[in-house]
Amino acid sequence: GAVVSQHPSWVICKSGTSVKIECRSLDFQATTMFWYRQFPKQSLMLMATSNEGSKATYEQGVEKDKFLINHASLTLSTLTVTSAHPEDSSFYICSARLLRSSESNEQFFGPGTRLTVL
Amino acid sequence: GQNIDQPTEMTATEGAIVQINCTYQTSGFNGLFWYQQHAGEAPTFLSYNVLDGLEEKGRFSSFLSRSKGYSYLLLKELQMKDSASYLCAVLDSNYQLIWGAGTKLIIKP
Repeated sequence: GAVVSQHPSWVICKSGTSVKIECRSLDFQATTMFWYRQFPKQSLMLMATSNEGSKATYEQGVEKDKFLINHASLTLSTLTVTSAHPEDSSFYICSARLLRSSESNEQFFGPGTRLTVL
Repeated sequence: GQNIDQPTEMTATEGAIVQINCTYQTSGFNGLFWYQQHAGEAPTFLSYNVLDGLEEKGRFSSFLSRSKGYSYLLLKELQMKDSASYLCAVLDSNYQLIWGAGTKLIIKP
């Protein structure tokens, strides 16, 4: 099946530092990757949609200069949280989609990255 | 606006059957997904419906009525490991997933 990995699984950092999270599709090419954030006891919140070779599309209220997304290849997208603050502490999850016109438009999720900013 | 409604929390007994409902109002429709999410983990795919009717997959079944904007997830022979949040999500006309807030299912012995 389609597997998506994320690295790191968890990270603790000091306030003001930057953190990079990688999302890789291991056995398929993902033209589109999604970045989500999930706070405790809340549902997934889409942050941005990332298409290979083009700029990411950010959802309303998400600062593109703070959450830098790079989708350099069909198997790798990165999210960099710049100048992280305690309120950025959350569970960050990426997902990848195979094809738009396939029978099942399933998104395959990575295992998530838990970020704690002290 | 776009809206997905599902109950916040449900409780059921081990071995029983539970139905989790989901109603939606979205701009366009390209299918409805159900995901299971255990605490601290990413969602895992359960089902995908794009046509009306019932899709059965082992102990889990999912139903869709596009005319009513309604779906349900049916879990049979409940096991303790089924305690999790169940997320309903609709793929809209832009192929964007619109997520419900999730239903926390508590299974009691």
